[in-house]
Amino acid sequence: DQQVKQNSPSLSVQEGRISILNCDYTNSMFDYFLWYKKYPAEGPTFLISISSIKDKNEDGRFTVFLNKSAKHLSLHIVPSQPGDSAVYFCAASVGNDKLIFGTGTRLQVFP
Amino acid sequence: EAGVAQSPRYKIIEKRQSVAFWCNPISGHATLYWYQQILGQGPKLLIQFQNNGVVDDSQLPKDRFSAERLKGVDSTLKIQPAKLEDSAVYLCASSLMREGYTFGSGTRLTVV
Repeated sequence: DQQVKQNSPSLSVQEGRISILNCDYTNSMFDYFLWYKKYPAEGPTFLISISSIKDKNEDGRFTVFLNKSAKHLSLHIVPSQPGDSAVYFCAASVGNDKLIFGTGTRLQVFP
Repeated sequence: EAGVAQSPRYKIIEKRQSVAFWCNPISGHATLYWYQQILGQGPKLLIQFQNNGVVDDSQLPKDRFSAERLKGVDSTLKIQPAKLEDSAVYLCASSLMREGYTFGSGTRLTVV
């Protein structure tokens, strides 16, 4: 039972344009959502998070949007840079429970 | 602050052999997690410790996997005997809060 889904395994975006990564979830009890970024041969690193009481959180070039009615969240990266090329995982949790991760989206930003 | 340390970085073993992974979390982090990431999938929690007590091991294949966290600091994860499907990256993470998950670089296990 995949409670957190990232349906796009890969995304290719030109440098300077917007990258939009999507994530869907099935458990309506999730109240905290996070995005992690992973480079090859490294562990995932925390990028940005959002609580279920909000619908948007912004940190520099990164913005996460949450649509609770649709059980959908997205990560926007503007402008995209070559260094953003990595695998992005969305994750969700209920209270202080464990994080449940999606399958990841590989983002490639080309010049 | 120093990150989460894991060793070894890579390990290749034959099926039915045993293997152990080690994790040293960030100092002061009470919660420690072991995740398994199979190629093409997201990380899946195997076990969660709070200090030296187990909080969640519902997805740990207990017939072959075991883990301990001595004195609430370092942790070891063991597989005995290994199967081909255990080939994965084993990630250790520690945290103070939910968004404070800090992952180590992982151990890539290949079972042949």
